[in-house]
Amino acid sequence: EAGVTQSPTHLIKTRGQQATLRCSPISGHTSVYWYQQALGLGLQFLLWYDEGEERNRGNFPPRFSGRQFPNYSSELNVNALELEDSALYLCASRPGTGENQPQHFGDGTRLSIL
Amino acid sequence: GEDVEQSLFLSVREGDSSVINCTYTDSSSTYLYWYKQEPGAGLQLLTYIFSNMDMKQDQRLTVLLNKKDKHLSLRIADTQTGDSAIYFCAETVAYSSASKIIFGSGTRLSIRP
Repeated sequence: EAGVTQSPTHLIKTRGQQATLRCSPISGHTSVYWYQQALGLGLQFLLWYDEGEERNRGNFPPRFSGRQFPNYSSELNVNALELEDSALYLCASRPGTGENQPQHFGDGTRLSIL
Repeated sequence: GEDVEQSLFLSVREGDSSVINCTYTDSSSTYLYWYKQEPGAGLQLLTYIFSNMDMKQDQRLTVLLNKKDKHLSLRIADTQTGDSAIYFCAETVAYSSASKIIFGSGTRLSIRP
């Protein structure tokens, strides 16, 4: 069974540009989560999608947005990039939202802002 | 509020046991998880414990749960250099007829010779 896949692995942008990060969940998983992990720090929750709908959003500005497609894959878009957006962006998927269902993570997209 | 707390760093000698501690806030949490993150990678699910259990053992890993104190620990026996990583504790909390998972800030485990 393929795990959670994220693309691209690395992304280099300059200030003010826009970035699109992609995530394919494990087959059969309907929930997708996005996290930001700045260097040396913990996970900051960004967005949660389930069955195509946004279920919850972390404390990030509106220039961070995303969507989930009918096949449950997801995109994270970051507009007007700033230097502090440089981080590892992790995607996780989950079979559903039941209590006994852990999240499974991809290896992340490392976004560097020059 | 929702909060999972962990100490940021732990250093142990190779061959010793490592004990990583975590406190959580939601007394109704049913599942608690431990994840491992190696450099440059995502989080890997290591183990989990159901709230009606006090202990769970899986090879070198032992998870202890104290529900009264809302304290969770992960013990790694015979710690090896390959155990160097960041370890995240996580709890499930109820959210709008579903559940969500709250992560701690992670404990960076370093192994000294």
